[in-house]
Amino acid sequence: LAKTTQPISMDSYEGQEVNITCSHNNIATNDYITWYQQFPSQGPRFIIQGYKTKVTNEVASLFIPADRKSSTLSLPRVSLSDTAVYYCLVGDGYGGSQGNLIFGKGTKLSVKP
Amino acid sequence: DTAVSQTPKYLVTQMGNDKSIKCEQNLGHDTMYWYKQDSKKFLKIMFSYNNKELIINETVPNRFSPKSPDKAHLNLHINSLELGDSAVYFCASSHYRTGNEQFFGPGTRLTVL
Repeated sequence: LAKTTQPISMDSYEGQEVNITCSHNNIATNDYITWYQQFPSQGPRFIIQGYKTKVTNEVASLFIPADRKSSTLSLPRVSLSDTAVYYCLVGDGYGGSQGNLIFGKGTKLSVKP
Repeated sequence: DTAVSQTPKYLVTQMGNDKSIKCEQNLGHDTMYWYKQDSKKFLKIMFSYNNKELIINETVPNRFSPKSPDKAHLNLHINSLELGDSAVYFCASSHYRTGNEQFFGPGTRLTVL
């Protein structure tokens, strides 16, 4: 099972771009990379998923190098409401497979005014 | 319309009691999950279930059992509650083929006295 490593915490200021990097050295060929966001007292919320290169949606961008051993979640122009814990996961994308259900410790992002 | 709902939101009970937490999803998903998030905020999978298989995390005591009356519901039964069971329990659901994109419920905070 591919494990992930992320920084425990990060600080930023409103309006800045935030990049959170995740290491997943043992990622398998069939694995996708997925990021979740969790606010206090709420369940995690899916943000973005990718397999290789770059993926962008209305919330974030995900950069994945060719070797896929790491990935970077990029949050453009963060606001106070982006203060949350961000989790990086890797897995084959099939429900019911334990390979895709491992949440790491996450990165606690604190955005300051 | 709530996509994934859980009841109750809070549950306070005595050691040794038996309790249940209910989960319902109206997303038409075929796979449902239960997670436990402890005081250190580690989010751990307990069960994943669809109409084909139940996968149990081997670290989950057999006092915990999932019950699925139909595809839209996966309830969690806990027997002989212990102090260490105090945590927030999250239900989630997904399509089997997109298991990385899970939708989480609001959580149930269980306190065992």
